[in-house]
Amino acid sequence: GAVVSQHPSRVICKSGTSVKIECRSLDFQATTMFWYRQFPKQSLMLMATSNEGSKATYEQGVEKDKFLINHASLTLSTLTVTSAHPEDSSFYICSAGILEYNEQFFGPGTRLTVL
Amino acid sequence: QQQVKQSPQSLIVQKGGISIINCAYENTAFDYFPWYQQFPGKGPALLIAIRPDVSEKKEGRFTISFNKSAKQFSLHIMDSQPGDSATYFCAASINGATNKLIFGTGTLLAVQP
Repeated sequence: GAVVSQHPSRVICKSGTSVKIECRSLDFQATTMFWYRQFPKQSLMLMATSNEGSKATYEQGVEKDKFLINHASLTLSTLTVTSAHPEDSSFYICSAGILEYNEQFFGPGTRLTVL
Repeated sequence: QQQVKQSPQSLIVQKGGISIINCAYENTAFDYFPWYQQFPGKGPALLIAIRPDVSEKKEGRFTISFNKSAKQFSLHIMDSQPGDSATYFCAASINGATNKLIFGTGTLLAVQP
């Protein structure tokens, strides 16, 4: 099956710093990548949808200047949490898909802890 | 209209029993209904998915039943095993536009040995 990787798997940072998370589709070219955040014992909350070469579309209530998304190629998307604060601590998960098909393939997630 | 309602919130089943998780939706434009399994600290993994042109799909011990008129679909796990203990999410999406998945709230399944 299609494989999606995320790096890093876990990151701890100080309040006020920025953190970049990478999402890669390893064996297919993804026209669309999605970024989710998940709090403990809760469902996945879609943050934004990104298509290669174009600006990301953010969900209502998600600050686009805080969560910067870049989708530079068909196999790589990055999420940068700028000026992170403790309330940004969460599990961030990306997924990748091809527009013509519904299936999304999820990465293993990145645990962000902001001290 | 974009919500997918999932129940129960948690479920305890004995080994060998049948686990049943239900979901309901309102938006009749949804045309893809996947189920995901998530273990603690991991990303969700696609288990099985169905489209509205069929009423049932079976893959191994996992079966989706789909009732288009009632706008409901369910996951049945036959011969449940302790290794099936995880959180299960149903979801729905509309093909072609953005393929955004709308997730249910999740069901924490515990299979007791």
